[in-house]
Amino acid sequence: GENVEQHPSTLSVQEGDSAVIKCTYSDSASNYFPWYKQELGKRPQLIIDIRSNVGEKKDQRIAVTLNKTAKHFSLHITETQPEDSAVYFCAASNRGTSYGKLTFGQGTILTVHP
Amino acid sequence: EAQVTQNPRYLITVTGKKLTVTCSQNMNHEYMSWYRQDPGLGLRQIYYSMNVEVTDKGDVPEGYKVSRKEKRNFPLILESPSPNQTSLYFCASSLSPVGYNEQFFGPGTRLTVL
Repeated sequence: GENVEQHPSTLSVQEGDSAVIKCTYSDSASNYFPWYKQELGKRPQLIIDIRSNVGEKKDQRIAVTLNKTAKHFSLHITETQPEDSAVYFCAASNRGTSYGKLTFGQGTILTVHP
Repeated sequence: EAQVTQNPRYLITVTGKKLTVTCSQNMNHEYMSWYRQDPGLGLRQIYYSMNVEVTDKGDVPEGYKVSRKEKRNFPLILESPSPNQTSLYFCASSLSPVGYNEQFFGPGTRLTVL
């Protein structure tokens, strides 16, 4: 089955700096890679996703890049703000065959210091 | 309001006492999933369902049962809970398979098994 590794487990940055979180996956058939943000005591919420037919996707201060050859993808947050502090999870799925199956990484605790 | 609800939100029980955590969505979603969240392990999928009477195992199904008799409900059943099932549980739903539409999470159920 799919295995997703996420690094780092914790990340501390100053407000205004950039933050990068990296994930690797094992199943070359995976073709859908979402990122979720979970604030303290809240439920996970989708913030951005990428499908395997593109290499990069941006949404304001958030971007995700995908390297299919190396089987890794990354979340980039620019101009970080204190409200970006949360746990971030990457995930992978083969949306053509696994229908409902989604494998998550271990999570990254991001702290943005004012 | 479109939402996924879970009950109870908090539960403390003892080893071996059968329990059910309910999950309900009012968005007419076909796909529903159960996850458990543990520190350092991220979110791990327990079971998922593609439609009424159609379910499949996720990555950690041992010790759990599910049923999907109605489209809106997807209860998680622990027939004989053990302390290693102490965790934070999330139900989620989506209109179509993972990767085609956003997956919405419920508020979570914190379960403690003594």
